[in-house]
Amino acid sequence: QKEVEQDPGPLSVPEGAIVSLNCTYSNSAFQYFMWYRQYSRKGPELLMYTYSSGNKEDGRFTAQVDKSSKYISLFIRDSQPSDSATYLCASLPISGGYNKLIFGAGTRLAVHP
Amino acid sequence: DGGITQSPKYLFRKEGQNVTLSCEQNLNHDAMYWYRQDPGQGLRLIYYSQIVNDFQKGDIAEGYSVSREKKESFPLTVTSAQKNPTAFYLCASTQGGAANTEAFFGQGTRLTVV
Repeated sequence: QKEVEQDPGPLSVPEGAIVSLNCTYSNSAFQYFMWYRQYSRKGPELLMYTYSSGNKEDGRFTAQVDKSSKYISLFIRDSQPSDSATYLCASLPISGGYNKLIFGAGTRLAVHP
Repeated sequence: DGGITQSPKYLFRKEGQNVTLSCEQNLNHDAMYWYRQDPGQGLRLIYYSQIVNDFQKGDIAEGYSVSREKKESFPLTVTSAQKNPTAFYLCASTQGGAANTEAFFGQGTRLTVV
C-alpha cells in the first residue's frame, strides 16, 4: 500500500463548478500536508500548506485535513479554466525534513468553459 | 529574479550512455533535491543534499549519481546502469531541511531514451 494514495483522474468539470480533490494517507506520523499545482510540462508550485487537522482557506481554495480518517482534501470554488492542471498532495512526518516528503500520484483536472 | 533553473528542457539518450542534468539555484538555499516523475506515480526522491559536499540517497538512487561542489549547483547524472531512465526529472530546493519551509521546483527536464 502506498503511503499517500491519490486518484489520478482525469477529472473534468464545467467552469464555475466546485471541485473536490482527495487523498488518503496511511502513516499516522504525518503531520504536515501540502497541495502542489503542476501545469503541463512545468515544475510543481506550492498551493496550500496545513499542519495537523483542520481547514485552511486561501481565496477560492480550501485545504482540509481529517486526521481521524487520514483524509486530505482540496476544494476549489468557482473553478476556472486556468485551474486546469495536475494537483499533487504531499505529506510529511513531524520528525522529518523535506527529504521525507511523500507525494501522491497527482490528479489531473480539466475545467472547460 | 530568484529561482531554480534546470537544463536542458529536453534530453535524448542513447542506450549505454551517461547523461548529466543541470540544476542551478540562486535562492541561497541550503538543501537541494532530485525527483523523478512518472505517469500515475507522483514524485519519487532520487537524491538530496542538505549542505555542500554532502548528499544522501533517496528512495530510487540506483543508476543515478550526484555531486554538490557548490551551494548553487546540484547536477544529476543518469548512468547506463539505470535501466528505465525515460521520465520527467525535477530539481527542488528549500532553505533548510525543516518541514515548514516551502520547496521551489525547477521547470523539469524530460529525458527520453532512443
